[in-house]
Parts: sequence; structure tokens; C-alpha cells
Amino acid sequence: KQEVTQIPAALSVPEGENLVLNCSFTDSAIYNLQWFRQDPGKGLTSLLLIQSSQREQTSGRLNASLDKSSGRSTLYIAASQPGDSATYLCAVAYNNNDMRFGAGTRLTVKP
Amino acid sequence: GAGVSQSPRYKVAKRGQDVALRCDPISGHVSLFWYQQALGQGPEFLTYFQNEAQLDKSGLPSDRFFAERPEGSVSTLKIQRTQQEDSAVYLCASSLNVVDTQYFGPGTRLTVL
Repeated sequence: KQEVTQIPAALSVPEGENLVLNCSFTDSAIYNLQWFRQDPGKGLTSLLLIQSSQREQTSGRLNASLDKSSGRSTLYIAASQPGDSATYLCAVAYNNNDMRFGAGTRLTVKP
Repeated sequence: GAGVSQSPRYKVAKRGQDVALRCDPISGHVSLFWYQQALGQGPEFLTYFQNEAQLDKSGLPSDRFFAERPEGSVSTLKIQRTQQEDSAVYLCASSLNVVDTQYFGPGTRLTVL
């Protein structure tokens, strides 16, 4: 079974700090990898999608990297803000519709 | 335009009751996905439609779970004879096509007593 693991499970940082969220996956034959944000009681919002042929994607203060050979991805958040507080989910697609999610990292940014 | 909508947002059912959860995808989106998210876990894939065709139902946990999308737009996830372990948030997502970004609805939180 393909597994996706996210570390840490929870993270609390002061406002303004840079931080890194980690995602690892057991099967490197991925189609793409996506990072989502989930706010309490709401659905998922796609943040960044990295195709298997790419090594990173950037959007504003967010940067996601992908290393297929080691089965790892990181989400870097620069200059964190209280509004960044949410659960961040990593999802790995092994074919064009089979998406496997990690359990998420619950981020709290304190003012 | 409007995003993916789901109804009801919350559903409380007694054990053994049948429930039906509705998903309205983004207009024009060909692909539709259902996921189950247990408390503190990531979503798990249940089933996938391309238009009205259910192409993958390998994630449905038992034959009590049934999904349909008869006209290739709105989809219904039906759970028969609900059990306590069915309590979860059920998420629907749609995409323009299967290779595109999935857009998620807010989910239906099902609680089985």
C-alpha cells in the first residue's frame, strides 16, 4: 500500500518565522504531488501542484519542493502570518486519479 | 463562478438508517471524486466518475456504499444501514478533466449514533 507521512503532526510558531513542513511517500512512481490547506469545517484548497517531472513550485510566500528519488517533499512558508494557521495536507497521485493523502500538519501561527 | 457545493453540511443518523449525500460540482467539470475523511486523518479516496461513468469504486469500504452520477453533473453518495464507523466527513471534488487540479467542496459531516 502506498503510504504518505507528514511530519510534524502539529507545529506552533510565532508570527514572522519561516517554517518547513515535511511529506514523505513510499512509492516514488508518482504522477504528481499536491499541497492543500484545510481550514476547520471547510474543504481543501489547493496551494501548489508539482508534476513528477518538476522539482519545485512557488506561489507568493510558499515554495514546495519534490525529490522523487528520496520520496520526499517539503512546503516552505516564509514570513508566517496568523492567517496561515490551518491544517496542511500533502497528497500524492499515483495515477491520474488515485490521490493518497497524508494525515496533515496542524499549523498555528501566534500573533 | 460557484464552487463545489455539498448538502447537507451536517447529518446525524441513527445506526441502521440510510443516508444520501449530495454533491454539485463546478459546471462543466467532467471528473468527480468522493473522499472520506475520519477525524484527525487525511481524506481517503472512495470513488471517481468521468461524466456519468463510475470508472473506479475501489475505495468504497463495503457494499453498503453506493454512488451515482446519472446525468454527468450532480452526484449522490448513498450509505445504507449506517454504522458508527461510517461517521466521518465526506468530501466531494471536481476537476475539469481527470488530470487537472481537483476543487473540493466543504464536505458533509456525518455522525452515526
